[in-house]
Amino acid sequence: QVQLVESGGGVVQPGRSLRLSCAASGFTFNNHGMHWVRQAPGKGLEWVAVIWYDGSKTYYADSVRGRFTISRDSSKNTVYLQMNSLRAEDTGVYYCARDDDTNSQYSKFEYWGQGTLVTVSS
Amino acid sequence: QSALTQPPSVSGSPGQSVTISCTGTSSDVGSYNSVSWYQKSPGTAPKLIIYDVSNRPSGVPDRFSGSKSGNTASLTISGLQAEDEADYYCTSYTSSSTLVFGGGTKLTVL
Repeated sequence: QVQLVESGGGVVQPGRSLRLSCAASGFTFNNHGMHWVRQAPGKGLEWVAVIWYDGSKTYYADSVRGRFTISRDSSKNTVYLQMNSLRAEDTGVYYCARDDDTNSQYSKFEYWGQGTLVTVSS
Repeated sequence: QSALTQPPSVSGSPGQSVTISCTGTSSDVGSYNSVSWYQKSPGTAPKLIIYDVSNRPSGVPDRFSGSKSGNTASLTISGLQAEDEADYYCTSYTSSSTLVFGGGTKLTVL
């Protein structure tokens, strides 16, 4: 069965870095784009970034562009989110999600991980 | 990348119908049929309930339906049940090849 397992969350000071991982299993990893979505405490969902199925393209939300980098390793079936220059407003639960949209317009996230909590605080 | 506009809350009694609106712009909702809706309960991952404006994934009851007119998409839940109480989010693909979420709507079943 499809599984997405995030890891790497924790408490980090403002300005520091953290790398999240999302290990995928149960499907052909190279056939799917992958996304990161976050939710700050008491707030709504916010899309963070996408990497295409072949790693050829990446796109970011304005709030993280230039600070976060999404990447993937097909040999490990894992997608990463490198987060630099972290701010308090980056605090939240980070989810990875599998893109099932055949038109590459991100309209179908049927599988999600359980989320990993990132807390940015001094 | 402004968030799509949703009402903060809606409510209805069991058996009734409710509709949640999702208003965007001509750069997102108005230009693409890539509007989706997710149901989110505390402590759980979001669940896809509608994709491509009006399509339901397998296993989602037909009480859930979606539509779009111009820059506004809508989710209608008919025959409300207590288990439908949750937060609902719309999403849309954008002309910048990004995704934007709505602010979320809390559904209360009275």
